[in-house]
Amino acid sequence: NAGVTQTPKFQVLKTGQSMTLQCAQDMNHNSMYWYRQDPGMGLRLIYYSASEGTTDKGEVPNGYNVSRLNKREFSLRLESAAPSQTSVYFCASGDRSNQPQHFGDGTRLSIL
Amino acid sequence: AQSVAQPEDQVNVAEGNPLTVKCTYSVSGNPYLFWYVQYPNRGLQFLLKYITGDNLVKGSYGFEAEFNKSQTSFHLKKPSALVSDSALYFCAVVPGGYQKVTFGIGTKLQVIP
Repeated sequence: NAGVTQTPKFQVLKTGQSMTLQCAQDMNHNSMYWYRQDPGMGLRLIYYSASEGTTDKGEVPNGYNVSRLNKREFSLRLESAAPSQTSVYFCASGDRSNQPQHFGDGTRLSIL
Repeated sequence: AQSVAQPEDQVNVAEGNPLTVKCTYSVSGNPYLFWYVQYPNRGLQFLLKYITGDNLVKGSYGFEAEFNKSQTSFHLKKPSALVSDSALYFCAVVPGGYQKVTFGIGTKLQVIP
């Protein structure tokens, strides 16, 4: 019962490096989401995908790009990492575009 | 613009006592409202949602929430708290339709044995 799987679980980057966070779901959900969680800020939506082949910006998209590779996978890319992007990143999926139902366990990203 | 407020950073309750975690919202139109729980080093788990219908919504693990339109509130409740309920709780809101969910900043629930 995998649900939503995120890789990696932890990562340390240097400023300016790039990396891709991977997310896959096995529940045949149409919608997928990327959030970041910061202390005192709750969860903020970075990007979401209402269906395969579509993506849209959320509340805090600057510095990120996404790819909805297929129905299962939704990746988040940091092209040039900045210390302000140090955060915990969560991927989520849902069977409706405005109802994230299942979350992965997160990727803890530190940028030095 | 939509917003959600969780006015308490932390709620402490004795095991066996009833618990309430508060949430108020601001949104145009009819809201969809959600509660999630997060345990340490884990993702959020969906507890319950209000879309329409009965104002009292029952969810997972014995939790329930009451939608109050006049007070724009959606408080989470449980009749008898367990130590295992200790976690971070998030309220979320979205206007009806295909728009983006807004989360509160979370309330830490501490159940004291």
